[in-house]
Amino acid sequence: EMQVVDSGGGLVQAGGSLRLSCAASGFLFSSYAMSWVRQAPGKGLEWVSTVSGNGGGAFYADSVKGRFTISRDNSKNTVDLHINSLRVDDTAVYYCAKMVGFRCFDDWGQGTLVTVSS
Amino acid sequence: EIVLTQSPATLSLSPGERATLSCRASQSVSSYLAWYQQKPGQTPRLLIYDASIRATGIPARFSGSGSGTDFTLTISSLEPEDFAVYYCQQRNDWPLTFGGGTKVEIK
Repeated sequence: EMQVVDSGGGLVQAGGSLRLSCAASGFLFSSYAMSWVRQAPGKGLEWVSTVSGNGGGAFYADSVKGRFTISRDNSKNTVDLHINSLRVDDTAVYYCAKMVGFRCFDDWGQGTLVTVSS
Repeated sequence: EIVLTQSPATLSLSPGERATLSCRASQSVSSYLAWYQQKPGQTPRLLIYDASIRATGIPARFSGSGSGTDFTLTISSLEPEDFAVYYCQQRNDWPLTFGGGTKVEIK
């Protein structure tokens, strides 16, 4: 059974840093791009970042470029999102998601809440 | 950035009725459009990808159509569990973008 489990959220002050982690199982991890998608309270979905299957390609939303870094460890089946210079508007539930090609997100973690206080 | 506009924002229907949801792109996304369902407090679920292909396990009452800039998600006969928020998403170009969502609520 395919499973994606994300973790690492918490309450952080503006300007702080956080590392979100995602552990995957049940599929050939290195064959799939992985992404982070976030959802602010009461709002819609926003794509944040994607890393290719071999880790050689990384893509970012303009709103997080330069502050967020995505990485993966295919030996451990994990994906991390390093978040720096946190802002209040980064407050959201962050979902780790497996991608079908680079087309869509077919398996999602349960989400981890990041709350940024001023 | 490709902007996806979903309409209507809210759709009030009764169980058994047909739901038609629209997603319009600011420029062509070819057929690279997906649809998701999200219920309150739950993770989004992939329904349709590449505009018209149902994801694994998705009932046949869900169908997608369209190409270019205009897309439709149709639920042929609403079941009680279908009342939720639906999002479209494009992957024709970076950044990947989502529409603002359509809430299908019980009338």
